Amino acid sequence: DTEVTQTPKHLVMGMTNKKSLKCEQHMGHRAMYWYKQKAKKPPELMFVYSYEKLSINESVPSRFSPECPNSSLLNLHLHALQPEDSALYLCASSQGTGSNQPQHFGDGTRLSIL
Amino acid sequence: DQQVKQNSPSLSVQEGRISILNCDYTNSMFDYFLWYKKYPAEGPTFLISISSIKDKNEDGRFTVFLNKSAKHLSLHIVPSQPGDSAVYFCAASADNYGQNFVFGPGTRLSVLP
Repeated sequence: DTEVTQTPKHLVMGMTNKKSLKCEQHMGHRAMYWYKQKAKKPPELMFVYSYEKLSINESVPSRFSPECPNSSLLNLHLHALQPEDSALYLCASSQGTGSNQPQHFGDGTRLSIL
Repeated sequence: DQQVKQNSPSLSVQEGRISILNCDYTNSMFDYFLWYKKYPAEGPTFLISISSIKDKNEDGRFTVFLNKSAKHLSLHIVPSQPGDSAVYFCAASADNYGQNFVFGPGTRLSVLP
């Protein structure tokens, strides 16, 4: 069982739809992350939130909009996505914000763009 | 240009024997290394880490070795069990990278009964 919970597990949406991915952790972690993973590739970092503030944006297109309502929740708002955005979206959290803190991952949301 | 490389896409090992997964990196600023295991339809699970001030870290059946001069690390699993069959990712970070872990492409380990 993962302590980082992501919903939904699967999402199919059209290019004009607006949807949101949700992530929740109750481990008291102060850093949360969004990653994108394509098939047979490693996870690629998209965003990092430290203490509920956006600290890293890895040049992600504006059609992906992250939000951190509180220290336990992380959302990823999706709008006008492209077929190439179909991927597994992973949320992770870590206790601290240093580079030597293991990140704990959720099981991901598998997103398909029609 | 890949900064973290796992040159073996797959590895098969007999149950009870040792599994050795290798990882090479190019950025000498990396100072913290981790191994993750990933089952299908699940997120990566943190296994073990090592700081650059050490050359070995052990946790049960899992041992990570770091050779800084060769920019090489390896994960040893002994004895290997069928439940260890998964994709293993090596990841690295550096102080000046903040929280940005760089992942290798992964090695699929199959442990045969």
